[in-house]
Amino acid sequence: AQSVTQLGSHVSVSEGALVLLRCNYSSSVPPYLFWYVQYPNQGLQLLLKYTSAATLVKGINGFEAEFKKSETSFHLTKPSAHMSDAAEYFCAVSVSQGGSEKLVFGKGTKLTVNP
Amino acid sequence: EAQVTQNPRYLITVTGKKLTVTCSQNMNHEYMSWYRQDPGLGLRQIYYSMNVEVTDKGDVPEGYKVSRKEKRNFPLILESPSPNQTSLYFCASSLIQGVDGYTFGSGTRLTVV
Repeated sequence: AQSVTQLGSHVSVSEGALVLLRCNYSSSVPPYLFWYVQYPNQGLQLLLKYTSAATLVKGINGFEAEFKKSETSFHLTKPSAHMSDAAEYFCAVSVSQGGSEKLVFGKGTKLTVNP
Repeated sequence: EAQVTQNPRYLITVTGKKLTVTCSQNMNHEYMSWYRQDPGLGLRQIYYSMNVEVTDKGDVPEGYKVSRKEKRNFPLILESPSPNQTSLYFCASSLIQGVDGYTFGSGTRLTVV
C-alpha cells in the first residue's frame, strides 16, 4: 500500500538555521506528493506539491522540497528558519484506488524554532 | 475568498446524542472528504465524495454517515456518538482528483462525554 513515513516526530532548530524535515514514500507508481503545514488551532495549509513536473518544487514561505526517485524521498527544506515557522508539518501522498482517491498522511513532524 | 467552512469549531456533547458537523465550500470543487486527526495517529480519512450523490468509505467510516445532496455541502453525521469519536475533524475539498491536493477547513474539535 502506498504510504509516507516522516522521520522524527519533533525537530528543533535555532532561528536562522537550516530546516530539514524528512519524508519517504512507498509507491509502485509515480506519486503525487504534498507538504502541508498546520499552525496551532488551525487547519492544514498546502505548502507545496510534486506532480511529476520539476523535481525541485518551491512552495510558500520560502520552503522547497526535492523529489528523489532513487531514494523515494521528498524532504522539505528552508535555508533559514524563522520563529513563525514553528508548526506541525505533514507529508502526504495521493493514492488512487479503483476510482476512489485519498490523501494518505504521515504522522507529522512538529517543528520548534528557538530564538 | 476561496474557502472550506466548517461548523461548529468546538462541540461538547453526550454519548448517544445525534449531531451533524456541516461543511461547505465555495470553489465549485467536485471532491470533498472528511478526516479525523488524533495524537500519534495523524490524519485518517473517514468518508469522501467524488460528486453529488457519490460517496465512499475511507479508512475509519464506522459510526459516521455522510451525504452529498449539493455540490457545495458535505455534512458529517454522527448518529450515536461515543467517547472514542472524540477527535479533531477536518473537511477538505479538491478540484482535480489527486493532482491538486486538498483545501482544508479550520477544523471541528469534538468532545463526547
